Amino acid sequence: EVQLVESGGGLVQPGGSLRLSCATSGFTFSTYNMNWVRQAPGTGLEWVSYISGSSSAIYYADSVKGRFTISRDNAKNSLFLQMNSLRDEDTAVYYCARGGGSLDVWGQGTTVTVSS
Amino acid sequence: DIQMTQSPSTLSASVGDRVTITCRASQSINYWLAWYQQKPGKAPNLLIYKASSLESGVPSRFSGSGSGTEFTLTISSLQPDDFATYYCQQYNSYPWTFGQGTKVEIK
Repeated sequence: EVQLVESGGGLVQPGGSLRLSCATSGFTFSTYNMNWVRQAPGTGLEWVSYISGSSSAIYYADSVKGRFTISRDNAKNSLFLQMNSLRDEDTAVYYCARGGGSLDVWGQGTTVTVSS
Repeated sequence: DIQMTQSPSTLSASVGDRVTITCRASQSINYWLAWYQQKPGKAPNLLIYKASSLESGVPSRFSGSGSGTEFTLTISSLQPDDFATYYCQQYNSYPWTFGQGTKVEIK
């Protein structure tokens, strides 16, 4: 069974940092592009970042560029999102999602709350 | 950035109804469009990709059409399990963007 399981969310003060992880199983992780997508409370979906299977291509939303860093460890079948200089508006459920366009598999999400 | 606009924002319908949701892109995205269903507290679920291709395991009552800037998601006969929020997403160019969502409610 294909599975994505996020972890690492929590409460952090503005300006703080957090590292999200996404553990995957059930497919050949290295051959798939991966993404982070977030959803602020009561709002819609926002794509955050993309990384290709080999990590050769990386893209970010303007709202997180320069503050967030996406990475992956193909040996450990894991995806990461390093979030620095966090702002109130980064409060959201963060999903990892598989795909290079349409996103066919999603994790259950991890909640990040930025508040003093 | 490409803006995606869905209409309506909320739709009230009954079981058995035919339901159509529209998604418009601010510029041509060819057919690089996906549709998702999301239920409260759950992750989104892919329904349609490349504008009209049905994702494996998705019931055939769901269909998608369109190209360029205008797209539709149709549910041919609404079922109780279909009451949810639906999102379109363009992946023609970065940053990928989603529509604001359409909530399908029970009439």
